[in-house]
Amino acid sequence: TQLLEQSPQFLSIQEGENLTVYCNSSSVFSSLQWYRQEPGEGPVLLVTVVTGGEVKKLKRLTFQFGDARKDSSLHITAAQPGDTGLYLCAGDKDSNYQLIWGAGTKLIIKP
Amino acid sequence: NAGVTQTPKFQVLKTGQSMTLQCAQDMNHNSMYWYRQDPGMGLRLIYYSASEGTTDKGEVPNGYNVSRLNKREFSLRLESAAPSQTSVYFCASSENDGTSTDTQYFGPGTRLTVL
Repeated sequence: TQLLEQSPQFLSIQEGENLTVYCNSSSVFSSLQWYRQEPGEGPVLLVTVVTGGEVKKLKRLTFQFGDARKDSSLHITAAQPGDTGLYLCAGDKDSNYQLIWGAGTKLIIKP
Repeated sequence: NAGVTQTPKFQVLKTGQSMTLQCAQDMNHNSMYWYRQDPGMGLRLIYYSASEGTTDKGEVPNGYNVSRLNKREFSLRLESAAPSQTSVYFCASSENDGTSTDTQYFGPGTRLTVL
């Protein structure tokens, strides 16, 4: 059973469209991170959210941590082909070095 | 800085063969990790080393051993490879300064196939 459920598993949209992907759990996390992974490479951290209700913006990407710290969303405005990749969320539950990872959303942005 | 480096990038083994995956980081990080990534399952932690001289089991340690050789290097050994160990293996490191916002930095991965 995946402790962090990501949806959708796969999303393919046209350049310029907006999209939102989700990371949901029934557990509370002390922090949650979003990583992006490109083919043939390791994941790279995009953002860390710590406070319930927190919203962080990174250019066209907006990240939100749920009020109860059980879920998070990533919204991309005017998606570009360079946004293509696997988006992974990872939660820190007990601060014992073991992040809980979601299975990821594979995003393809078509020119 | 090279960050986190892994060798080899690709490997094909026969069932029962052994091999060691090498990982090194040049960021003076305290903690290092080994993950495997399989389709549809995300990253699963095999072993981690919170600090030099310590190692602990993660979620899926069976069939693997690790060595934290020094602060820079953390190796993963498969003593008798099985087809179920076919996967992409990632090494990561983090500063681990005691906060809950620790960033993990990943290597490029090793693609292992066991026939």
